[in-house]
Amino acid sequence: AQTVTQSQPEMSVQEAETVTLSCTYDTSESDYYLFWYKQPPSRQMILVIRQEAYKQQNATENRFSVNFQKAAKSFSLKISDSQLGDAAMYFCAYRRYTGTASKLTFGTGTRLQVTL
Amino acid sequence: GAGVSQSPRYKVAKRGQDVALRCDPISGHVSLFWYQQALGQGPEFLTYFQNEAQLDKSGLPSDRFFAERPEGSVSTLKIQRTQQEDSAVYLCASSRGKGSGGNQPQHFGDGTRLSIL
Repeated sequence: AQTVTQSQPEMSVQEAETVTLSCTYDTSESDYYLFWYKQPPSRQMILVIRQEAYKQQNATENRFSVNFQKAAKSFSLKISDSQLGDAAMYFCAYRRYTGTASKLTFGTGTRLQVTL
Repeated sequence: GAGVSQSPRYKVAKRGQDVALRCDPISGHVSLFWYQQALGQGPEFLTYFQNEAQLDKSGLPSDRFFAERPEGSVSTLKIQRTQQEDSAVYLCASSRGKGSGGNQPQHFGDGTRLSIL
């Protein structure tokens, strides 16, 4: 079974600064997807960024980028130029590449605070 | 609709009562997932539908939990004889393709917060 670990329950960053959220995972599969989701108090899970394991290039979406280290099974999220609206819970998630039910396996989350 | 819609947004029930939670996925989405999110935790998979077929129910915690999607659109998660440990946020997600389409993102609703007294 796949597991996802987020070892930072809370992180804090000043507005306009950069912060990195950590995530490690365990799997015996070679092909899979990794995701970072943002969950504000409204509870809706919002997809931030996605990485296909077969791609060596790290994914980037505007101010959000990942550092994907497949051999180390590490998938960290870097948020540049942090904004007040970035404050939320962030969840790292794993999804199998194939299979009938591509359910998401989530970590326990990191609460990000953004200060002035 | 434009997004995944869940109702009610909040539900309070007494222990032992039955509850029903509704999910209205994005129109045309084939796949539908239910997740349970306990306080301070990440969501955990409950069950998966491809159209009206329930292909995976391995995450349902007990036989008190039952889900259906009879016409391949709206889904209902029913919990019988509720217990305090059932208190959680229940999230529904849908995606356009079949489950093997990992490239297609899951779109989440706002969830139902269930509180069992």
